[in-house]
Amino acid sequence: AQKITQTQPGMFVQEKEAVTLDCTYDTSDQSYGLFWYKQPSSGEMIFLIYQGSYDEQNATEGRYSLNFQKARKSANLVISASQLGDSAMYFCAMRGMIYNQGGKLIFGQGTELSVKP
Amino acid sequence: DAGITQSPRHKVTETGTPVTLRCHQTENHRYMYWYRQDPGHGLRLIHYSYGVKDTDKGEVSDGYSVSRSKTEDFLLTLESATSSQTSVYFCAISDPQAGVNEQFFGPGTRLTVL
Repeated sequence: AQKITQTQPGMFVQEKEAVTLDCTYDTSDQSYGLFWYKQPSSGEMIFLIYQGSYDEQNATEGRYSLNFQKARKSANLVISASQLGDSAMYFCAMRGMIYNQGGKLIFGQGTELSVKP
Repeated sequence: DAGITQSPRHKVTETGTPVTLRCHQTENHRYMYWYRQDPGHGLRLIHYSYGVKDTDKGEVSDGYSVSRSKTEDFLLTLESATSSQTSVYFCAISDPQAGVNEQFFGPGTRLTVL
């Protein structure tokens, strides 16, 4: 069975500092994808970054980077230079093979990030 | 931003009434999904579609049905709403076989069943 674990229910970070949100996963699939989403208080799910299991380079999107350590089955999100607008809930998710319910996403429980001025 | 809309955005209904939620996309993506988000459970898949008239169940499909008569529309129906179906419902789209690995989400529908 696939599982995503986010062990940090809540975190604080000072504005302009970097922060790492932890995510570990478990799967028996050889091919899979890892995602991070941001959910602000307004409720929408905003896609941040994607990493494929065969990608050798860590994914980056602007201030977001995904620290992918395959052997450790971890996919931590790093946010550089935190901004007040980064305060939100962050979800790590994994997609397995398409034959597994259409490649559904399995979500972690989320980490609530608060950025302090 | 991916073109996904959901309607209605908010709905309050009574136990036992039928409810239909609509998801509309303008991206021509093959896969469409319905998830529900509940405190303590995160997001869970209800049903998904892999093409027109091709649908299948997710992990929490009891009490729900879906239909997809056009590529762009995916409907979720609660045949007889119950209080346990009070939730936030998200539609998502993707097309991994066309190289679109990301799943993009609609804005969500907040449903309250009294």
